[in-house]
Amino acid sequence: GAVVSQHPSRVICKSGTSVKIECRSLDFQVTTMFWYRQFPKQSLMLMATSNEGSKATYEQGVEKDKFLINHASLTLSTLTVTSAHPEDSSFYICSANRGDTGELFFGEGSRLTVL
Amino acid sequence: AQSVAQPEDQVNVAEGNPLTVKCTYSVSGNPYLFWYVQYPNRGLQFLLKYITGDNLVKGSYGFEAEFNKSQTSFHLKKPSALVSDSALYFCAVRDGNTGGFKTIFGAGTRLFVKA
Repeated sequence: GAVVSQHPSRVICKSGTSVKIECRSLDFQVTTMFWYRQFPKQSLMLMATSNEGSKATYEQGVEKDKFLINHASLTLSTLTVTSAHPEDSSFYICSANRGDTGELFFGEGSRLTVL
Repeated sequence: AQSVAQPEDQVNVAEGNPLTVKCTYSVSGNPYLFWYVQYPNRGLQFLLKYITGDNLVKGSYGFEAEFNKSQTSFHLKKPSALVSDSALYFCAVRDGNTGGFKTIFGAGTRLFVKA
């Protein structure tokens, strides 16, 4: 079964509004989660590393004021797209490690459409 | 910094034939290598990984991959393709020397298996 749960799976919002996406680890705790954005032509871009109890680490070119990440507990990380614009429309995916096995477990993804 | 190249946007193969999806990588430390599969509008699923040990690793659904250090490659293979293997495949790398779990993905290769 799923080990990482992501919600909502789809969201449509108006331009200028903010949208929050949640990512939960099920039955295990993590200090680090990763947020990816997938563009229409397939590529998966790492946006940021979410760190429990401290600030997220953003990749170069990702606006931290635009994409707010909060890792408030050992099982929950949230990504808030602030003042959304149509160009923010994309598929956002979170992931986490369980233990030290190396591979990532992914949420089901959230498709954001900004009108 | 690590990077991954998947030179083929798309691979077409007939059902029952062997398939290969290519991947080359660049990492300054020890490479931890992964393959993931993605079905439409879903998150990614782990297929297999190379951390250490035998260069040939076997994973889910009959897939295998061979780590080649001299060629910095980690090609995904399957002896006999199924129509249900049609999906998007991602190769990924992590630098085993730096610690943490930051993982970088290739652009993805879409596999079409024709009946």
